Amino acid sequence: DADVTQTPRNRITKTGKRIMLECSQTKGHDRMYWYRQDPGLGLRLIYYSFDVKDINKGEISDGYSVSRQAQAKFSLSLESAIPNQTALYFCATSDWDRGLADTQYFGPGTRLTVL
Amino acid sequence: DQQVKQNSPSLSVQEGRISILNCDYTNSMFDYFLWYKKYPAEGPTFLISISSIKDKNEDGRFTVFLNKSAKHLSLHIVPSQPGDSAVYFCAASARSNYKLTFGKGTLLTVNP
Repeated sequence: DADVTQTPRNRITKTGKRIMLECSQTKGHDRMYWYRQDPGLGLRLIYYSFDVKDINKGEISDGYSVSRQAQAKFSLSLESAIPNQTALYFCATSDWDRGLADTQYFGPGTRLTVL
Repeated sequence: DQQVKQNSPSLSVQEGRISILNCDYTNSMFDYFLWYKKYPAEGPTFLISISSIKDKNEDGRFTVFLNKSAKHLSLHIVPSQPGDSAVYFCAASARSNYKLTFGKGTLLTVNP
């Protein structure tokens, strides 16, 4: 079984709709992240959470919100989807390792299309 | 301002030869560097990392070299195999916040 799962894997929606992407992990990691990938732009950080009570904006958080329901679950919401939010979305987790920067482990991704 | 740069969008090599992927960074606070491999329709997979206290780290066919003075790192794959064909992302972080900053990726194609 995958350590980091994302649902749905694919989603097509219309402009103005509310969308929620979900991420679950069984790795027992405290830290969780949401990224989006656009062609030619690499991965950009949307939001990150270092524990259930700690949520922070990343470099491109406008138009998105998140909820950390439990250590293992981190959801990304688009309150009113717009076409330029069409992208691949990845969830990632990491385990803080004192003295070393952490390594992030990624889910399989959600392909979101906003028409 | 792009802090991690992969200036080659693509690279093509023959099976059995060496693949060299390059990455440059501008933020002198970065002290940990990682390479990820990504196949289509999958999430990025961690490949190898290096701390700024080292200049080389090796894991099987994969070696990462770090030149701090030049703010440059490279990933060497020897010998290259067709299964290595993927997009490779370079990433960097600073111990102050542990967030990763990614480059735009390099598509490696290994031809049989």
